Amino acid sequence: GQQLNQSPQSMFIQEGEDVSMNCTSSSIFNTWLWYKQDPGEGPVLLIALYKAGELTSNGRLTAQFGITRKDSFLNISASIPSDVGIYFCAGRSSGTYKYIFGTGTRLKVLA
Amino acid sequence: DGGITQSPKYLFRKEGQNVTLSCEQNLNHDAMYWYRQDPGQGLRLIYYSQIVNDFQKGDIAEGYSVSREKKESFPLTVTSAQKNPTAFYLCASSAGESSYNEQFFGPGTRLTVL
Repeated sequence: GQQLNQSPQSMFIQEGEDVSMNCTSSSIFNTWLWYKQDPGEGPVLLIALYKAGELTSNGRLTAQFGITRKDSFLNISASIPSDVGIYFCAGRSSGTYKYIFGTGTRLKVLA
Repeated sequence: DGGITQSPKYLFRKEGQNVTLSCEQNLNHDAMYWYRQDPGQGLRLIYYSQIVNDFQKGDIAEGYSVSREKKESFPLTVTSAQKNPTAFYLCASSAGESSYNEQFFGPGTRLTVL
């Protein structure tokens, strides 16, 4: 099945640094979702985006719905150790119930 | 307290046995989904259901079966035909095909086939 290109695959950062990751698709989406997953747990929804160009924040997290509707970005500011985990993007096209998921970005924060 | 519950958290079965994983939601969502996640991998869609008594195969449906007799419940059966059933299974739900549509996940069931 189709998967979204998500980059980077993994990253080590120092505590306090800002983090950026992105997802790209060959299809146009009308919904972008960003999740965080801790080991052995289900993904937790962080941010939902519904309009091209939309910029939405949730605390230190900011996500954007790309203008082309084929990409999305997630930024984490001033990272802390509890930001460690796997971040997934997911997109959905109009007229379908199916979500397409990215391959994940594994984030490790060095104190 | 609204959400999605999956039980049990850990499940062990002998090879050749069928096993059913439970998923219940009280969010009044129309759509429900089952995903499989292998170590270090992303999510792969097994089955999804848009409404009661209707469901569609996802990308890796072989060796699995589902039912949707109630809106709140979407159990997944892992049959003996599934060649590599050991994995982390995630259930999810969403409101359906509305304009504002978020998908929420349960805590997952880790199945180990011995």
